[in-house]
Amino acid sequence: DIQMTQSPSSLSASVGDRVTITCRASQSIRSYLNWYQQKPGKVPKLLIYAASYLQSGVPSRFSGSGSGTDFTLTITRLQPEDFATYYCQQSYFTDRFTFGPGTKVDVK
Amino acid sequence: QLQLQESGPGMLKPSETLSLTCTVSGGSISRNGYYWGWIRQPPGKGLEWIGSAYYSGSTYYNPSLKSRITTSVDTSKNQFSLNLNSMTAADTAVYYCARHRWGDGYNDFDYWGQGAQVTVSS
Repeated sequence: DIQMTQSPSSLSASVGDRVTITCRASQSIRSYLNWYQQKPGKVPKLLIYAASYLQSGVPSRFSGSGSGTDFTLTITRLQPEDFATYYCQQSYFTDRFTFGPGTKVDVK
Repeated sequence: QLQLQESGPGMLKPSETLSLTCTVSGGSISRNGYYWGWIRQPPGKGLEWIGSAYYSGSTYYNPSLKSRITTSVDTSKNQFSLNLNSMTAADTAVYYCARHRWGDGYNDFDYWGQGAQVTVSS
């Protein structure tokens, strides 16, 4: 079974900070890695697909990188609306589109 | 603008079958390259993919739920549905429908419904 892990599980940051979240797959998933943002009580929103492609309408302060087993989501200059939980999701193994456990970004 | 909206019962008793429908507006459910998926989120927990279906009948299901799932796509109504039987308290969650975009080198959930709260309680 493919397992997805994220680190850290939570972090505290200030507006203007650079934030980096890591996602690791237990097996190679090439570049089939997506990132979602979810605010409390809200619907998940696709931010990055195929590891590094910015979804239409998503601010350019969000970026993704990586391939194989190790991936990174970076937010440059954190904005007030960016405080949320971020999930990675693999889409290479089509028998199970596994999400990571999430990383909560809150106010320092 | 594509919109998805879940509908179904908010509360079930243990052992009952959950039936949810997702109505798609602003685009055709039979457009090539798009599956239609279900994802759930138990209270205070993360996201779990349930299954995805194509308008022509192809399906992918989470192996941990496969024995309990039935999905269907109704192109005449632009709707897709999920049936999950033998519900227990562990199935209590917000259930989301989503468009499962599938292309060369990528697949992801790019449009989501607002979510339907489903509670299983006796």
